[in-house]
Amino acid sequence: SQTIHQWPATLVQPVGSPLSLECTVEGTSNPNLYWYRQAAGRGLQLLFYSVGIGQISSEVPQNLSASRPQDRQFILSSKKLLLSDSGFYLCAWSVRVDEQFFGPGTRLTVL
Amino acid sequence: GENVEQHPSTLSVQEGDSAVIKCTYSDSASNYFPWYKQELGKRPQLIIDIRSNVGEKKDQRIAVTLNKTAKHFSLHITETQPEDSAVYFCAASRGSSASKIIFGSGTRLSIRP
Repeated sequence: SQTIHQWPATLVQPVGSPLSLECTVEGTSNPNLYWYRQAAGRGLQLLFYSVGIGQISSEVPQNLSASRPQDRQFILSSKKLLLSDSGFYLCAWSVRVDEQFFGPGTRLTVL
Repeated sequence: GENVEQHPSTLSVQEGDSAVIKCTYSDSASNYFPWYKQELGKRPQLIIDIRSNVGEKKDQRIAVTLNKTAKHFSLHITETQPEDSAVYFCAASRGSSASKIIFGSGTRLSIRP
């Protein structure tokens, strides 16, 4: 069966520090991969999505970037975190677009 | 661009009563409409979905209706229970392998005992 992992589960970082969040999927090949951010009490904001290795589409201009170095690995990065980057970051995957599965999420607090 | 609007943003109902959440979408090419439930601090999980060739779908106490002409769809929860308390998200997609799923802003449903 397919599983999706995210780490770390929680992270507290100072403003201006770098960020690297990792997402990996097991049990499937060539998935579509997504990064979402959810601010406290808010909806799901699509940040990036990828339909294949090295293929990244950005949805919102920001100081974040994403990379897909391997088929089932999706990384979210920042060179310098802002206070507004705090939130719950969710990775998701789909093979058929008719169902998207979310990872457990990373709760990021920028101080 | 594509947009999905969801109402209400918060909803409180008495246990045992019904709850209805409504969504509208802008992309007329959308043909897949999932609903996700997110409990506090957890990941969203798919609870029901509907495709454009169907007007209504039911799964126990949950039902979803779709009106493609008006571009709106709704989630109905009957005989609500405390465990139904959560944030619910509607979404819409074109249903192709490279399509995005566009989410609504969410409805926080509270069930009063």
